[in-house]
Amino acid sequence: EVQLVQSGAEVKKPGESLKISCKGSGYTFTSYWIGWVRQMPGKGLEWMGIIFLDDSDTRYSPSFQGQVTISADKSISTAYLHWSSLRASDTAMYYCARGDYYYMDVWGKGTTVTVSS
Amino acid sequence: EIVLTQSPGTLSLSPGERATLSCRASQSVSSRYLAWYQQKPGQAPRLLIYGASSRATGIPDRFSGSGSGTDFTLTISRLEPEDFAVYYCQQYGSSPLVTFGGGTKVEIK
Repeated sequence: EVQLVQSGAEVKKPGESLKISCKGSGYTFTSYWIGWVRQMPGKGLEWMGIIFLDDSDTRYSPSFQGQVTISADKSISTAYLHWSSLRASDTAMYYCARGDYYYMDVWGKGTTVTVSS
Repeated sequence: EIVLTQSPGTLSLSPGERATLSCRASQSVSSRYLAWYQQKPGQAPRLLIYGASSRATGIPDRFSGSGSGTDFTLTISRLEPEDFAVYYCQQYGSSPLVTFGGGTKVEIK
């Protein structure tokens, strides 16, 4: 079964760092790309960025450029989303999704991130 | 920067009725690069349509997509109870690389 398993919910304080993960299984990890999508409480989907797993090229939405870092460890079929310094406004659900050509066909269940002092 | 505008924001319909959802792009989008997703409360989004009109695996044929250029449509021919959800369009390829529309909520009337 093709699936993306995301790491568990996180509760952090402002200024702390965080790395959440997304592990792919059931398919050839490097044959697809991984996208990250934010959904703030009660709001719509926002694309954050992409990592192309064949060459590890990353692209970011202008809204998230410099705010987060996307990476991957192909040896363990895992992609990551990293913050160096969290803000309260980073409180949201974060989804990873497998990208096939121009769309995202398999989604993780999401990781809830809560940032509060 | 390309912007996708979905309308209406909310669609109130009864089971069995036809739903027509619009996605308008601020610049022309290749049909290959237009997708639709469904999201139910507490769940991750699910791919419905890719390439503007191709149904994803396992998607019932009551869902159909059409359109080209700047105007795209998702049609649900006869609403089933499980179809009441939020629907998003998405484009790939124009700056920024990926954009989502703001969503249309299909609610029970």
